[in-house]
Amino acid sequence: ILNVEQSPQSLHVQEGDSTNFTCSFPSSNFYALHWYRWETAKSPEALFVMTLNGDEKKKGRISATLNTKEGYSYLYIKGSQPEDSATYLCAFDYMDSNYQLIWGAGTKLIIKP
Amino acid sequence: DTGVSQNPRHKITKRGQNVTFRCDPISEHNRLYWYRQTLGQGPEFLTYFQNEAQLEKSRLLSDRFSAERPKGSFSTLEIQRTEQGDSAMYLCASSLEGDSRSEKLFFGSGTQLSVL
Repeated sequence: ILNVEQSPQSLHVQEGDSTNFTCSFPSSNFYALHWYRWETAKSPEALFVMTLNGDEKKKGRISATLNTKEGYSYLYIKGSQPEDSATYLCAFDYMDSNYQLIWGAGTKLIIKP
Repeated sequence: DTGVSQNPRHKITKRGQNVTFRCDPISEHNRLYWYRQTLGQGPEFLTYFQNEAQLEKSRLLSDRFSAERPKGSFSTLEIQRTEQGDSAMYLCASSLEGDSRSEKLFFGSGTQLSVL
């Protein structure tokens, strides 16, 4: 059974501080790793789709790295702002997945003003 | 384009009733997905359409669940004889087939189903 783990489950961060969290996935049959942000009462929004080992992607103050050989990805947020409060989900796509992404349970980030 | 639209936003029903949800994807997107999410869990894949063809369906999906996408545009998800365990957020997503099989998904706001 393929499993995707995200840690921590939840995180409280002071406004202005930087933070990071982890997505762990199977290291075999890798195809792609997705990151999404889901704010309360809104739709999940795509942040990154990463496909290559060593990939680093950046969107404003948010960046992500990918290690497919050891099966993990880090999401970093620099200088956290209240609008960063959301649940961050990662999803693993693998060879022969037939479009069935395997999702982690998410990291809930709360920014304290 | 206003993005992916789902209706209704909330649905409360009694056990044993049938419910139907609708998803309108982004107009040029040929791929459409249904997911189910319960509290504390990540989204769980239900089914996938490419245009009007239903190409994948989760083995975990019971026969009470059926989805359609006539004409490759909007999609409906029907649950027959609802059970309390069906209570969840039902999410629809669409994507545009590109160079990569793994294109980013655009989600709707979901339909929250409560079965009493």
